[in-house]
Amino acid sequence: GAVVSQHPSRVICKSGTSVKIECRSLDFQATTMFWYRQFPKQSLMLMATSNEGSKATYEQGVEKDKFLINHASLTLSTLTVTSAHPEDSSFYICSAILATNEKLFFGSGTQLSVL
Amino acid sequence: KQEVTQIPAALSVPEGENLVLNCSFTDSAIYNLQWFRQDPGKGLTSLLLIQSSQREQTSGRLNASLDKSSGRSTLYIAASQPGDSATYLCAVHDDKLIFGTGTRLQVFP
Repeated sequence: GAVVSQHPSRVICKSGTSVKIECRSLDFQATTMFWYRQFPKQSLMLMATSNEGSKATYEQGVEKDKFLINHASLTLSTLTVTSAHPEDSSFYICSAILATNEKLFFGSGTQLSVL
Repeated sequence: KQEVTQIPAALSVPEGENLVLNCSFTDSAIYNLQWFRQDPGKGLTSLLLIQSSQREQTSGRLNASLDKSSGRSTLYIAASQPGDSATYLCAVHDDKLIFGTGTRLQVFP
């Protein structure tokens, strides 16, 4: 089956630094990828929709200048949390759509802790 | 290793019916369980979140239950409507977020 690889699985960083999370579709091309985050004890929420070769579409309330999304190829999307602060500590997960059947495949998630 | 299974894989019902979607998981050591819907070509929409200490959650026509001891959750949809047609996913959160295989629901007028 289709596999989505997300890296890193855990990251701890100092406040003010930037963190990049990668999401790769290993055996299929993903024209569309999605980024989500989940705060403790809250639901998983969609942050943005990433389309290859174009600007990402952000959900209301998500700062596009803080959460930079780059989808430069059909197999890779990156989420960069710029100038991270403790309130950005969360679980981030990506997913990619398999165009042939529109099924979603998920990465394993990244637990970000900002000190 | 946590495994999440959803039954049925597909369901087609006439409008107005009450229906139940099932989700089972193999490891009861979870933080929470969530139900989502996915519309074609779209990302996930969160429907209900049940913490591990809770038994059920309700939102409008939706009711989700959680029985950790048996590793089961059900999503009950009352008075189904054509707009409910979508794929429904459950996911359990232990150290990772593990998704079920989904149930594709079609509600016809």
